[in-house]
Amino acid sequence: DGGITQSPKYLFRKEGQNVTLSCEQNLNHDAMYWYRQDPGQGLRLIYYSQIVNDFQKGDIAEGYSVSREKKESFPLTVTSAQKNPTAFYLCASSIDVARETQYFGPGTRLLVL
Amino acid sequence: GNSVTQMEGPVTLSEEAFLTINCTYTATGYPSLFWYVQYPGEGLQLLLKATKADDKGSNKGFEATYRKETTSFHLEKGSVQVSDSAVYFCALSNGSGNTGKLIFGQGTTLQVKP
Repeated sequence: DGGITQSPKYLFRKEGQNVTLSCEQNLNHDAMYWYRQDPGQGLRLIYYSQIVNDFQKGDIAEGYSVSREKKESFPLTVTSAQKNPTAFYLCASSIDVARETQYFGPGTRLLVL
Repeated sequence: GNSVTQMEGPVTLSEEAFLTINCTYTATGYPSLFWYVQYPGEGLQLLLKATKADDKGSNKGFEATYRKETTSFHLEKGSVQVSDSAVYFCALSNGSGNTGKLIFGQGTTLQVKP
């Protein structure tokens, strides 16, 4: 079955530590996205990638970094510079940026120890 | 800039009641409009969409009509079930420029009681 997988489901970060969230898709989609969701709020865009080896900052990129070395993979690193990382992180993909429908993974919940 | 406003929740209904969740938007150009649903602890699932004015999106008994004159995309269902309990998000596409960016409302929680 085609879809988007995210791992781990839960992730714990210590102070000063960088952590990486995995996002993999087998839908053959060109575009991929990372969103952050806080309780009672909508989704906010962190980074997006239109094609392999290319990515752009979204609305809240500070304290995060990404890479897009393979079409199917778009990992997100939460760096120590992100002072309030506790949130639910959602990865999404679309066929391309012109095809606007996005399909979401199951999410990773990041907690700070 | 573009924005989406949803009615505040939680919305609490009895099973088989009629559902309306209001969504209004501000946008330049001709965005597409979406409703996504999120069940507890899960990611978002596309519920329905409409790509131009007067289009009606529908799925699983839910409907929404793209109303350009009132800049609205209200979600409706004639008879809700307990299994419809979830958070519902209205969203619009950027509409101009090829970024693929979606702008989401804050979400509306629906609780359906037996």
